[in-house]
Amino acid sequence: EDQVTQSPEALRLQEGESSSLNCSYTVSGLRGLFWYRQDPGKGPEFLFTLYSAGEEKEKERLKATLTKKESFLHITAPKPEDSATYLCAVTAMDSNYQLIWGAGTKLIIKP
Amino acid sequence: EAQVTQNPRYLITVTGKKLTVTCSQNMNHEYMSWYRQDPGLGLRQIYYSMNVEVTDKGDVPEGYKVSRKEKRNFPLILESPSPNQTSLYFCATKDRGSAGNTIYFGEGSWLTVV
Repeated sequence: EDQVTQSPEALRLQEGESSSLNCSYTVSGLRGLFWYRQDPGKGPEFLFTLYSAGEEKEKERLKATLTKKESFLHITAPKPEDSATYLCAVTAMDSNYQLIWGAGTKLIIKP
Repeated sequence: EAQVTQNPRYLITVTGKKLTVTCSQNMNHEYMSWYRQDPGLGLRQIYYSMNVEVTDKGDVPEGYKVSRKEKRNFPLILESPSPNQTSLYFCATKDRGSAGNTIYFGEGSWLTVV
């Protein structure tokens, strides 16, 4: 069964303290892996798409990487405004572009 | 500006009273979808539509109906709401040919069934 697992469920960091969020997946042929950011009470906002192992994408303090089994979202020197829930999702080759979502990691950055 | 508009944003209703949550998009996207989001369970797809008059069940379709009579609108219908349908609902759209990187979500509709 196709599955996406994110860890940790929640992460508290001090401002400036770098860390990584994990998204592990099992899927029969990966078409794409996606990271989204979700602020409380709002819809998810697209961050990155990764398609193949070894690929990396960066945006400001965020960097997403991909292996054959997992993806990491690295956060460098985070600021309080980076606090949000980060969602990971995958699309399988045989899925008609349907997304399988992880439960998310809630990130809290304390000033 | 790309927009996905849901209404109502907040609703408290009683068990069994039919309700409709509307969703409208201005991007001419073929694909539209409804999700519900519950604590610890993440986003779960209810129904999706690849085009006008084409709808399919997602992971949790029980208790819901949808219709796609026009490209821009994709209403979610709860014929007889029950308390286990209390949730945060999101409508989403994307280009059909895209692998998913251009998904646009609405602001969400908070539904409470008492």
